[in-house]
This record gives sequence, structure tokens and C-alpha cells, in this order.
Amino acid sequence: DSGVTQTPKHLITATGQRVTLRCSPRSGDLSVYWYQQSLDQGLQFLIQYYNGEERAKGNILERFSAQQFPDLHSELNLSSLELGDSALYFCASSAGGGRNYNEQFFGPGTRLTVL
Amino acid sequence: LAKTTQPISMDSYEGQEVNITCSHNNIATNDYITWYQQFPSQGPRFIIQGYKTKVTNEVASLFIPADRKSSTLSLPRVSLSDTAVYYCLVGFNQAGTALIFGKGTTLSVSS
Repeated sequence: DSGVTQTPKHLITATGQRVTLRCSPRSGDLSVYWYQQSLDQGLQFLIQYYNGEERAKGNILERFSAQQFPDLHSELNLSSLELGDSALYFCASSAGGGRNYNEQFFGPGTRLTVL
Repeated sequence: LAKTTQPISMDSYEGQEVNITCSHNNIATNDYITWYQQFPSQGPRFIIQGYKTKVTNEVASLFIPADRKSSTLSLPRVSLSDTAVYYCLVGFNQAGTALIFGKGTTLSVSS
């Protein structure tokens, strides 16, 4: 158990809909990252937040948005869903300190299926 | 960001030592080399990180030559449970740069 929690575990929805994925980082971790993993694209970095502020942006579509709240949990909002958005969405967190500079702790993921 | 190249797949048998090599020719001075392991439908898990020479922990060893243009993850005496995808990454996440996961190396261990 990494200490990172994600809800829901599974989500099935229809094209055109909007969903919200939630992530709670490990206690004390200030950074939260979102990744998308589909069969054909591998693990794609979407966005990073650090203590409420956007820190880095990857291949995140304009239909997607995220935020990190004062209690450090984060939400990833996906709108106007398309079939191709079906994927596993992972959240990860990191402490921002310590010797393992690139160590991120990944949650169990949310499997999104768009029908 | 430094790009990495690693084999798409490798096969091994239980009890053997497995070495997965990753090349990263344009690694930056402050980049660290990091390896992650991922099982199906699970999030990646940090294995080991190094800057130069050799790093060893309870799971694996990481060998980095002086020029740092490549690295080798060594898994001693693999078991069936080591069947997974292994990702090599280079970067310095604490500086705010994102970690880029490539396609990784799918290691299959047979009995």
C-alpha cells in the first residue's frame, strides 16, 4: 500500500459526459501528479501540482482540468468524454524532499471506461 | 528532457540474474537515473535511483558508468513474481521537471 488513495476504482460512463477523479496523497506529500495509461500510449504524464499550484504540464487535453485543494487532495476533471479517453488514470504523490529525488508513490488507479 | 532507450522485452528463467540496460545519451548534469516496476493494472513502484557508479538496495543494483550515458538495472535471482514492466527514467523531478515514462521493458520470467 503506497498510502495514496484514489476514488472511484472503476467508472463507466458514456461519450460526452463529464467525470471527476479524486486523489488523496500520502500524508505530508505536497506534490500530486496525474498520469493516463492506455494500451497503445503507455504511461503519459498529464499534470503536476505542488502545494496547490500547478508545477508542470504534460500531454493534458484541453477537455481535462485538475486542481489541488488546500487539504492537498486533488481532482482530475474529464469532460466531453470520448471513447479514446478510456484508460487507467493514476495519481502519484511525492514528498519533495529526501534523497530519492525521483521517487513518486502511485495510487491504485481509476479505470475509466467510456461507452 | 533526456530520452531513454531500453529493450522492449526480455525473457528469463527463475533463479537467473537479469540485467536490463538503458541508454540515455543526452543526460543532463543534474539528472538522476531512476527505475520503476509496474505489474498489470497497478501503479508503478519505485525500485532504485542513482547518479553515478553503483547503487544497491534490497531489491536490485544499479550500475552507472562514468560517462552516465547508460545504466544497467540488475535483478539477482529473479522469480516468477518479478514478471513486470520495468521503466528507466532520467530527470530531476524535484526541480519541477516531469518524469517521462517510456514504453519500458516487459520482463517475462518462466519456471
